Amino acid sequence: SYVLTQPPSVSVAPGTTARITCGGDNIGIKSVHWYQQKPGQAPLLVIYYDSDRPSGIPERFSGSNSGNPATLTISRVEAGDEADYYCQVWDSSSDHWVFGGGTKLTVL
Amino acid sequence: EVLLVESGGGLVKPGGSLRLSCTASGFTFSTCSMNWVRQAPGQGLEWVSSISGSNNYIYYADSLQGRFTISRDNAKNSLYLQMNSLRADDTAVYYCARETGTDAFDIWGQGTMVTVSS
Repeated sequence: SYVLTQPPSVSVAPGTTARITCGGDNIGIKSVHWYQQKPGQAPLLVIYYDSDRPSGIPERFSGSNSGNPATLTISRVEAGDEADYYCQVWDSSSDHWVFGGGTKLTVL
Repeated sequence: EVLLVESGGGLVKPGGSLRLSCTASGFTFSTCSMNWVRQAPGQGLEWVSSISGSNNYIYYADSLQGRFTISRDNAKNSLYLQMNSLRADDTAVYYCARETGTDAFDIWGQGTMVTVSS
């Protein structure tokens, strides 16, 4: 089965840039989606199709997928960005959705 | 307002059954694929099952081993998950999520807690 690998944690200072990676076999040919989940809340879609932002998501959130790994970048990080972040792809070989294990972003 | 509301969670004994519901509003339910995603306490997201808008395609996570059945009633704007032979490791918050034309899960419900314990 397809596996997505994320670092368990990333820590950054406010105002700096956070990069969260998502690795997987040939991930560059897949569309990667990213979700933010704050404690006690449902996940929120922040990036779809590698780099597109849904309405209402700040421009500080961006994504790239030009190879392994795919990356979610959060610029000018704010305290309110502290959350768990998950990447997701569709594995067409198994007809399964796959989530990465999640990355806890800590704002120091 | 686009909304998904789950219900039906609760405490059930190992080996028991439970049926979760997800009621949709604010969009054309029949045109959207829908999904169930679960999250065990302190753990990450785990995709459970998907169903297409017209019931043509249904997919399940391998870990379910045939114990769960997804269904929908487009006339009632409702999604269901029938869970049988429940085990302790099925304990989780269960979310329903809409899958859009972008193939991402753009709308999520608030979740319903399922606890499997004797």
